[in-house]
Order: sequence, then structure tokens, then C-alpha cells
Amino acid sequence: NAGVTQTPKFQVLKTGQSMTLQCAQDMNHEYMSWYRQDPGMGLRLIHYSVGAGITDQGEVPNGYNVSRSTTEDFPLRLLSAAPSQTSVYFCASSQGSTNEKLFFGSGTQLSVL
Amino acid sequence: GDSVTQMEGPVTLSEEAFLTINCTYTATGYPSLFWYVQYPGEGLQLLLKATKADDKGSNKGFEATYRKETTSFHLEKGSVQVSDSAVYFCALRDRRGRRALTFGSGTRLQVQP
Repeated sequence: NAGVTQTPKFQVLKTGQSMTLQCAQDMNHEYMSWYRQDPGMGLRLIHYSVGAGITDQGEVPNGYNVSRSTTEDFPLRLLSAAPSQTSVYFCASSQGSTNEKLFFGSGTQLSVL
Repeated sequence: GDSVTQMEGPVTLSEEAFLTINCTYTATGYPSLFWYVQYPGEGLQLLLKATKADDKGSNKGFEATYRKETTSFHLEKGSVQVSDSAVYFCALRDRRGRRALTFGSGTRLQVQP
């Protein structure tokens, strides 16, 4: 099984550019989420979804949009990139309502110049 | 709000040494507690968990006990190997209905041969 697949692995943007980070899972998980990982700050939740058509904000949602049109896909959009969005982004999914075990993708390293 | 505090790293040990990584938490009620591990270039993986006071989670020689009286969930291993070199994250999930995990800042472990 592929698990959680993120693309691209690396990306460099200029300030003001837009882009979409892709995330797909093949485990039929209902819960999906996006985290950013910054040095000394651990992982912070950006947005999450409890099922197709349902999304909600996490701890640091500003500057990011998400949608969940299918169970499998949960893309993260940066509308106008800023240097403060330089980070490593992780997509994660889990089965069921308890979210006791998250499955993570391998991450996208994003640099905004 | 909920928070997780981990000891600063990096922690550098020789092979076969005893490992302790401290983790304390602040949360309302009785959260579930987790340790995740991130190997170089990979996403996080669940290492172990405990869902109620005095529970002991264990996996791959690692152990952690849910201590409600000290609000702690310290990670221990009796004899570390070079292959244990990674970043370890303590996390909690509260029981108020939110599915998101709150992560600590991570502790890097370096094991030298």
C-alpha cells in the first residue's frame, strides 16, 4: 500500500506566488489533516477534515485554503506565499472517529524567497 | 489550552546506553498520550500510546507510563541502538471532541557506535 502520498517533496516559491501541495491516501481514512513543522515548535495543525465536503481550521490557518471533494484527496493551497510560510508540511490521515493513530506522508519542504 | 513540553535536544548517547526523554503535559481532563518517531527524511510514525492513567505503552523496546499525578509520559529504553537515532515527539489528544493532536517540539536523539 502507498499509504499517504505527498507531492512535491521540495518546492521553492517567490513571495506572492501561489501553489497547491497535494496529499492523497489510499486507506479510505475519513480524517485528514495538514501540519507544518518548524524548528523548536514541533508540529502545528493548519486545517483538517473529518470527511468529504467537511473542513475546519486548526491552530495556524491564515494564508492557507483546503478542500475535500473526495475521501482520498486533501490539497493545501497557498494563495499568496510569504517567507513566514517557509516550513516542512506534513499531511496525515487516520481511520474512524478517535484519531488514535495518524499516518503521515513524507513531507514537503517549502522555501519562500 | 492544551500543551506538551519536551526536554531540549539533542540527546547524544553511546550504543547500549539507557535512554530517557522527558515529556510533561497540560490538558483538561484525561487525554490520550502518544510518542511519535521521525526518522531522517520520513514522516512521523506512531511509536506507542497510552489512553488512561497508569497505562504503559510499549513498542520496539521503548516504554512510557501515563502518570496522571505528575502529568508526565516519559519515554525510556534500556539499551539504545544506532538505528534509534531520530526525532521523538510527545503528543496528546484531548477528550473534548476535537480530533487534533497537540505535539511537543520534538527531541533529537543521536546514538553513536
